[in-house]
Amino acid sequence: GENVEQHPSTLSVQEGDSAVIKCTYSDSASNYFPWYKQELGKRPQLIIDIRSNVGEKKDQRIAVTLNKTAKHFSLHITETQPEDSAVYFCADYTIAGGTSYGKLTFGQGTILTVHP
Amino acid sequence: EAQVTQNPRYLITVTGKKLTVTCSQNMNHEYMSWYRQDPGLGLRQIYYSMNVEVTDKGDVPEGYKVSRKEKRNFPLILESPSPNQTSLYFCASCRQSGSPLHFGNGTRLTVT
Repeated sequence: GENVEQHPSTLSVQEGDSAVIKCTYSDSASNYFPWYKQELGKRPQLIIDIRSNVGEKKDQRIAVTLNKTAKHFSLHITETQPEDSAVYFCADYTIAGGTSYGKLTFGQGTILTVHP
Repeated sequence: EAQVTQNPRYLITVTGKKLTVTCSQNMNHEYMSWYRQDPGLGLRQIYYSMNVEVTDKGDVPEGYKVSRKEKRNFPLILESPSPNQTSLYFCASCRQSGSPLHFGNGTRLTVT
């Protein structure tokens, strides 16, 4: 089945620094790549996503880049703030073999801590 | 308010005692799914449903059952819970497969 590897597992930065989280995937047919943020004790919430026909997408301080050739995509957070501290999950969407149904496969998560 | 509602939020039970975690969405979404979250393992899919009466196994279906008799509801059933099912469970839904997922608030289950 599909495999998504996420690195690093923990990331500690100073307020104002940038943070980068990278994910690699195995299925070249994957075509949708969302990122979710999960604050402590809360549910995962979508923060940004990208489709395979686009190389980069930005939304204020966050951006996602996709390299289809290398099969990896990354989340970039600039000017980090303490409220960015959370667990971040990447995911990719693939069509299940032999069906027309797709599924999201999640990475293992990255615990981001932003120190004031 | 558009939302996915799970109940209960917390549940402590004993091995072998059947339980059901309910999930309901009010967004008329076709796709619904259950995930379990364990430290270091991310979110792993248990079961999913493409539409009413259409369900299929995810990556970790053993020990779980689901049903989708109505579009809005997708309960998760543990017929005989075991301690290795102690986890944080999330229900999620989306308009259709491949669109952004909306998660419920989670159910923390402890099986002793």
